[in-house]
Amino acid sequence: QVQLVQSGAEVKKPGSSVKVSCKASGGSFSSSAISWVRQAPGQGLEWMGGIIPNFVTANYAQRFQGRVTITADKSTRTAYMDLSSLTSEDTAVYYCASGPSDWRIDYWGQGTLVTVSS
Amino acid sequence: IQMTQSPSSLSASVGDRVTITCRASQRISSYVNWYQQKPGKAPKVLIYASSSLQSGVPSRFSGSGSGTDFTLTISSLQPEDFATYYCQQTYTVPITFGQGTRLEIK
Repeated sequence: QVQLVQSGAEVKKPGSSVKVSCKASGGSFSSSAISWVRQAPGQGLEWMGGIIPNFVTANYAQRFQGRVTITADKSTRTAYMDLSSLTSEDTAVYYCASGPSDWRIDYWGQGTLVTVSS
Repeated sequence: IQMTQSPSSLSASVGDRVTITCRASQRISSYVNWYQQKPGKAPKVLIYASSSLQSGVPSRFSGSGSGTDFTLTISSLQPEDFATYYCQQTYTVPITFGQGTRLEIK
């Protein structure tokens, strides 16, 4: 059984950056597909990007390209999502999620609320 | 790839049969998964690869479709099924979700 534990809630100023971590236990971290999915208040699910740690290179949704960086550290079984140039529209719950390499999501973290406010 | 879900909301009663559809903007074989999300909780996978039931999910949930048109069916609604449902395509990155269907009690 895979468990994903994310870092805690953040409050950020517009224009700043946020880095959310996701530590995995159980399962095969290196060959799993790790996705980052966000959900703005009252809105749907939005896939931001993902990484398969063994393959190193991340994939990103076009609307976040250039503003998000997703990395994974196999030695600590931890994935990271770094989002820059924050605006109020980035206020959302950010989930890390994992599953097989076909990008299905079997496991979800508890979510990290990021609030962007001046 | 855009995933267009319908309806966006649905009112139904316990015991009803409910169908939610998802249409892909291009052919995606059977690379569709369905998720259920309850308020304040992370989503949960119900169906993967269009029609495979995830372990532990009740058999009243079923999925079908291939190519561009997909459906999620709940054969007999139970009180715990009132939630929001999302389709997801994993045919190619970037992965995309449908906009969601909110299933409410009539």
